[in-house]
Amino acid sequence: DIQMTQSPPSLSASLGDKVTITCQASQNINKYIAWYQQKPGKAPGLLIGYTSRLVSGIPSRFSGSGSGRDYSFSISNVESEDIASYYCLQYDNSPWTFGGGTKLELK
Amino acid sequence: EVQLQESGPGLVKPSQSLSLTCSVTGYSITSNYWGWIRKFPGNKMEWMGYISYSGSTSYNPSLKSRISITRDTSKNQFFLQLNSVTTEDTATYYCARVPFNWAGPYYFDYWGQGVMVTVSS
Repeated sequence: DIQMTQSPPSLSASLGDKVTITCQASQNINKYIAWYQQKPGKAPGLLIGYTSRLVSGIPSRFSGSGSGRDYSFSISNVESEDIASYYCLQYDNSPWTFGGGTKLELK
Repeated sequence: EVQLQESGPGLVKPSQSLSLTCSVTGYSITSNYWGWIRKFPGNKMEWMGYISYSGSTSYNPSLKSRISITRDTSKNQFFLQLNSVTTEDTATYYCARVPFNWAGPYYFDYWGQGVMVTVSS
């Protein structure tokens, strides 16, 4: 199985900050990575697919990049509604595997 | 709009079977793939498997022969059965839609709200 190492596990930010989360795969995943946001008690919501493709309706302050084994997800100008947990998912190889998650909190 | 809703018992005894239903509205399950994911206490997430528009299935090898995903197209529902459960299967279970293209299925786009299942005697 491909291991997805997501960091940091938690992140504290002020409103307006830029934050970055990384996921490192145990092997090349050919840009087949998606990013999700989850708020407590809610379903995960898809934000980005195929490394950097923003889902329709998602604000442009969210972005993704990377290649090979290393990928990142950023939020520029953090807003209060962004307080949530974030997960990466690799779907290059079966079984698909998730990162461990990052909890974003307000400083 | 696509909507998914999980249902099933919230408590299952060890060694018994866990059975969940995902009811889909706004989209036919004879299109796309449809999957199950679970989130453990402590937040680790695991892809369990999916069923295709034609009824073929793919499962996470970690679940070996314990898992079965089936469907009822007349009711636009698909199902998860997990046999011989232990306390390690305590988790929140989600169903989700899986879009696909020429290369195959890719990620999960629409998710249900999830149902928490506790395995305990």
